[in-house]
Amino acid sequence: TQLLEQSPQFLSIQEGENLTVYCNSSSVFSSLQWYRQEPGEGPVLLVTVVTGGEVKKLKRLTFQFGDARKDSSLHITAAQPGDTGLYLCAGEGTGNQFYFGTGTSLTVIP
Amino acid sequence: EAGVAQSPRYKIIEKRQSVAFWCNPISGHATLYWYQQILGQGPKLLIQFQNNGVVDDSQLPKDRFSAERLKGVDSTLKIQPAKLEDSAVYLCASSLLETQYFGPGTRLLVL
Repeated sequence: TQLLEQSPQFLSIQEGENLTVYCNSSSVFSSLQWYRQEPGEGPVLLVTVVTGGEVKKLKRLTFQFGDARKDSSLHITAAQPGDTGLYLCAGEGTGNQFYFGTGTSLTVIP
Repeated sequence: EAGVAQSPRYKIIEKRQSVAFWCNPISGHATLYWYQQILGQGPKLLIQFQNNGVVDDSQLPKDRFSAERLKGVDSTLKIQPAKLEDSAVYLCASSLLETQYFGPGTRLLVL
């Protein structure tokens, strides 16, 4: 099992603030994905990063894959209440197998 | 395009009872996954199918959990007998390439 640790585990911020979520592992992954999960629903894919050092932007969300493809970060600028949810990273191993992180629960207070 | 369907959405059983969950993946998706997600944690892979063959079931507690993928399409996950610690959301996902699409999950409560 390839362990992915996310930090922080819980985050509560005011609307308009910025935040960063980290996803770290000692294992190398061929790709890394970020998901958001809302209560009562399954995770929904936000982005896939493949190349070491890659940076992808999705509106106010910026995703970075570490140079060694072992870690990643998600930065949200000017958080909105609609950003509230559980953020999960998932590393792809061999054979299209995915290993999920421990999750970061984000609450954005209006 | 229809998404991944799961049923039931909720199930409450007593310990030592049996329970089964059903998943219908997106049409044409060869890979199907079952995950267990305990409250406040990330999903843990239980079993991965490629068509109707098992790719990885290393984290499936085989003394009580079983899964099959009928004709490489629908899949069922069974727990027999259930334990209190099996209380969780059971998520099914399917994929064609590297993108997984998740169903809404089945929330199981074992009393």
